[in-house]
Amino acid sequence: EDQVTQSPEALRLQEGESSSLNCSYTVSGLRGLFWYRQDPGKGPEFLFTLYSAGEEKEKERLKATLTKKESFLHITAPKPEDSATYLCAVQARSSGGYQKVTFGTGTKLQVIP
Amino acid sequence: KAGVTQTPRYLIKTRGQQVTLSCSPISGHRSVSWYQQTPGQGLQFLFEYFSETQRNKGNFPGRFSGRQFSNSRSEMNVSTLELGDSALYLCASSFFGEASYNEQFFGPGTRLTVL
Repeated sequence: EDQVTQSPEALRLQEGESSSLNCSYTVSGLRGLFWYRQDPGKGPEFLFTLYSAGEEKEKERLKATLTKKESFLHITAPKPEDSATYLCAVQARSSGGYQKVTFGTGTKLQVIP
Repeated sequence: KAGVTQTPRYLIKTRGQQVTLSCSPISGHRSVSWYQQTPGQGLQFLFEYFSETQRNKGNFPGRFSGRQFSNSRSEMNVSTLELGDSALYLCASSFFGEASYNEQFFGPGTRLTVL
């Protein structure tokens, strides 16, 4: 069974204090790993897709990296507006050959001014 | 380009009733997936529809069902509601081709409260 584990569950940072969120996964036939940001009461907002080990993607203060077993979301000099829950998800082939997506439970990030 | 829309946004029902939720995907997207989100369980996959066919299903009881129409709009139905069905129900759409790896775009969700 596909599994996605995110750590830490919650993270509190001072504004400007860089850190990393972790997403470890076990899946057979990884087709893609996704990062989303979710604000309270809203649907997840797509951030990145990573397809293969060694790949990196950046967007503003966020940088996502991927290895064969885990992904990291690095946040550089965060601002209060970066406060949100960050979700990791993996896409793998289901037994029927179609896409199947498994989500982690997320890391709740709070950035203090 | 309009995003994914879900209606209604909020719903209050009582145990034993049934409910239908609606989702309109991004124009041109053919795949629609439904998720249940609760504080304790996170995002749980319900099912995925593509070209009016259910292609994948999560581990939910038969009380949860869905369908997709020819215009890709989708509905989800929950019958005989239980207190534990209270959750945020999210719809996600993606273009999805056989050889592509498509990210999903989520709607704002429908907040269902069962009393």
